[in-house]
Amino acid sequence: GESVGLHLPTLSVQEGDNSIINCAYSNSASDYFIWYKQESGKGPQFIIDIRSNMDKRQGQRVTVLLNKTVKHLSLQIAATQPGDSAVYFCAERGTYKYIFGTGTRLKVLA
Amino acid sequence: SQTIHQWPATLVQPVGSPLSLECTVEGTSNPNLYWYRQAAGRGLQLLFYSVGIGQISSEVPQNLSASRPQDRQFILSSKKLLLSDSGFYLCAWGLGTSGGETQYFGPGTRLLVL
Repeated sequence: GESVGLHLPTLSVQEGDNSIINCAYSNSASDYFIWYKQESGKGPQFIIDIRSNMDKRQGQRVTVLLNKTVKHLSLQIAATQPGDSAVYFCAERGTYKYIFGTGTRLKVLA
Repeated sequence: SQTIHQWPATLVQPVGSPLSLECTVEGTSNPNLYWYRQAAGRGLQLLFYSVGIGQISSEVPQNLSASRPQDRQFILSSKKLLLSDSGFYLCAWGLGTSGGETQYFGPGTRLLVL
């Protein structure tokens, strides 16, 4: 498993601005990716997914971008709201298993 | 729609005591089931997964065990808890498809071993 430590990277964003959260994945053969949102004390919540044959996918206020060349995934949140404050992490799929990032804490400033 | 339940929500146990955490899924059949542990500020660590009744794969050798007595029931157990077993335990389900499997998580159980 991964081990980064107790302090997650934090992104502070002004309410109404756009947020961009980044993730580097490890396996160039990974074919499916998910972004999760986790609020304090709760289980992770599915936000959006993307398959490796795509480079962009849009949802409601969220967009995921996939750059397979550099093994990079990003989550863009438009018009960030206070309710978006949470830890966001990406997951890459293997056979029956996922590899999860440790996450980025998003803080929305009023 | 599918829902996933975990209980208890919070548990405080002494070192050396047994453990039983339960997870059930509703609204789907033959799901893949997973147990994860999340330590504070760390990523999810896969503990066990199951692709069918009675089938358990262990990812991390430790004093925990898992069982799947029914299609939509997944249990995490220990005979003797260690201090290092403290953490946030998450159950997840997914359906294996050729196009990819999305995993959906339960609300979690916070375990504190004292």
